[in-house]
Amino acid sequence: GAVVSQHPSWVICKSGTSVKIECRSLDFQATTMFWYRQFPKQSLMLMATSNEGSKATYEQGVEKDKFLINHASLTLSTLTVTSAHPEDSSFYICSAREQGVRGTEAFFGQGTRLTVV
Amino acid sequence: AQTVTQSQPEMSVQEAETVTLSCTYDTSESDYYLFWYKQPPSRQMILVIRQEAYKQQNATENRFSVNFQKAAKSFSLKISDSQLGDAAMYFCAYRSLTSGTYKYIFGTGTRLKVLA
Repeated sequence: GAVVSQHPSWVICKSGTSVKIECRSLDFQATTMFWYRQFPKQSLMLMATSNEGSKATYEQGVEKDKFLINHASLTLSTLTVTSAHPEDSSFYICSAREQGVRGTEAFFGQGTRLTVV
Repeated sequence: AQTVTQSQPEMSVQEAETVTLSCTYDTSESDYYLFWYKQPPSRQMILVIRQEAYKQQNATENRFSVNFQKAAKSFSLKISDSQLGDAAMYFCAYRSLTSGTYKYIFGTGTRLKVLA
């Protein structure tokens, strides 16, 4: 199946700094990428949907100025957590949908564990 | 808005036995997909099985099968001949085909324990 790679797998940063997480589709072109946040023992909560070349669509309650999403190419989307605080510590997962294929499931990255100290 | 409900936070099954995980959903749409995903301790989301709403036939993938009841909005997962490697969190997910966003809505998950 299609492969989605997320980098880094884990990151520790100091409070107040920014962290960038990359999501790449390795063997297909992704029209749409999704960013999720997962707290321990909880479900995946969709944060935003990004389409290549356009602004991301954020879910209600997600601060777009804090979680900057860029989808500059058909194979790369980035999530930047700006001015990170300990409450931003979480597991972030991206998924990507293949261009032009209706009904194909989204493929998930392996996730990034962010710890803000 | 669509919702997905998994009422079983945790289930246990003896190795080689069969277990059924429940999922119900709510939607006013007629065209959609339903999925079961497995999330092992590695946290990598793995697709287990997919069901198209317009298909009456229940999807099967080896030891995994679903019981899709469209009118009842129910989508349960049956795991036969359970193996130790099946132990994981299982998420039921809904994906709209008419909203144009293609976003997934996940249930809260069921943790499956497999007993040796």
